[in-house]
Amino acid sequence: GAGVSQSPSNKVTEKGKDVELRCDPISGHTALYWYRQSLGQGLEFLIYFQGNSAPDKSGLPSDRFSAERTGGSVSTLTIQRTQQEDSAVYLCASSFPGPGRETQYFGPGTRLLVL
Amino acid sequence: QQQVKQSPQSLIVQKGGISIINCAYENTAFDYFPWYQQFPGKGPALLIAIRPDVSEKKEGRFTISFNKSAKQFSLHIMDSQPGDSATYFCAARPFSGGYNKLIFGAGTRLAVHP
Repeated sequence: GAGVSQSPSNKVTEKGKDVELRCDPISGHTALYWYRQSLGQGLEFLIYFQGNSAPDKSGLPSDRFSAERTGGSVSTLTIQRTQQEDSAVYLCASSFPGPGRETQYFGPGTRLLVL
Repeated sequence: QQQVKQSPQSLIVQKGGISIINCAYENTAFDYFPWYQQFPGKGPALLIAIRPDVSEKKEGRFTISFNKSAKQFSLHIMDSQPGDSATYFCAARPFSGGYNKLIFGAGTRLAVHP
C-alpha cells in the first residue's frame, strides 16, 4: 500500500507568515509523529499522537508550533509567525502501536525555507 | 535529559571495507534500539533493530552489537558498497509499555568510495 505522504514537498515563506504542513499516515497506523531535521542535524522530536490519547507535545520548541490530528488520520503541523530558525525539513512518521510493531515509517518530508 | 550520542559524525570507507558506527546512551530505561538509514531527499527508513536481551543481531551485511553494561551499541556494515552511502541514525526508545517515542542520535554521514 501507499506509504506516508507529506505536502507540500517544499515551502518557501516570508518571516512572520504562518505555514501549515500536512501528513497522511499509512492506513491503519494509529501512532503519528512529527520530527524536525535541521541541515546536517539529527531528528528532533516535536509531537506524538497515539490513538485517542492526549498527544505528547513535549518536543514543540515554542507556542508558535501546534499540531492536530483529525479523525485519527491526517495531521497538520502549524507554525505561526515563522522565523528564519524554523527553516528545516519537517518529517512525519506513523506506526502501529505496541510491542513488536514499533517500526516508524517516515514520509519524504517538507522542506521549509523561511526568508 | 535522556540522550543518545552517536559517532563519528562522518565516515569514509573504501568499497569492500567495514563501516562501524557507534552509539551510547545515558540511562538504562530503554527497551528498543533501531538503526535508520536515510538517503538524500528521502525520509529515514528502518534498517535493523535490537532489544537489550540479546548482544548481537545480524541481517545480511548489517550487524548490531549491543553492550548493555557499557550502555553502547554499534552498527557494522560488512563489505561496504557505494550504494550504502547514506546518513545513518541510531535511536533508542524509553521503556514505556507501548509508548513508541524514539530518541535519535545526531547521525553519521557514510561515504563508500569505489
